[in-house]
Amino acid sequence: QKEVEQDPGPLSVPEGAIVSLNCTYSNSAFQYFMWYRQYSRKGPELLMYTYSSGNKEDGRFTAQVDKSSKYISLFIRDSQPSDSATYLCAMSDMGRGSTLGRLYFGRGTQLTVWP
Amino acid sequence: DVKVTQSSRYLVKRTGEKVFLECVQDMDHENMFWYRQDPGLGLRLIYFSYDVKMKEKGDIPEGYSVSREKKERFSLILESASTNQTSMYLCASSLRSYNSPLHFGNGTRLTVT
Repeated sequence: QKEVEQDPGPLSVPEGAIVSLNCTYSNSAFQYFMWYRQYSRKGPELLMYTYSSGNKEDGRFTAQVDKSSKYISLFIRDSQPSDSATYLCAMSDMGRGSTLGRLYFGRGTQLTVWP
Repeated sequence: DVKVTQSSRYLVKRTGEKVFLECVQDMDHENMFWYRQDPGLGLRLIYFSYDVKMKEKGDIPEGYSVSREKKERFSLILESASTNQTSMYLCASSLRSYNSPLHFGNGTRLTVT
């Protein structure tokens, strides 16, 4: 079992829909949670970053962490065709020594928003 | 702005060839990483380095080696390329901190025939 599980989709929604992307994890040491967005033929780029449990909002994007359930979500409101990309969740623990800074990624969910 | 540059966008090599993939970052980051990305399998960590001349195996190091002689440069080496190493290779860098995001290059699409 992978440490981070993410449904790869694909997910296809109409413009204006609310999108929910999710990841589950097994390692209770994970403290920092990130979402990356990857456009076709590009490297992933950091979209949002949260620490521990709670919500964080940035424009149309909301990241949610529920540490008790080991579950994180990314919500996209009023989705746009420009949101079409692969979304990867990533997380890290309070690593020490050589693994400090290593991230653990989900497989990514491919999202298409059609006009 | 942060920049991670991978030397080749596309590469075609023959089975058995020795292949070098180069990555350079301009952010003075301590950590550098090599991933491969395959459909359905996501990002898989091959090797990473937390300092010059230091390296750690990731989840799939077999068939690969790395070199980090300078802080800004991290090389991935395929000693004898095989067809199952056909993939997208992504380099990334970060500060040596538990809450530092990774900055990725745009990848090298390697085809081994």
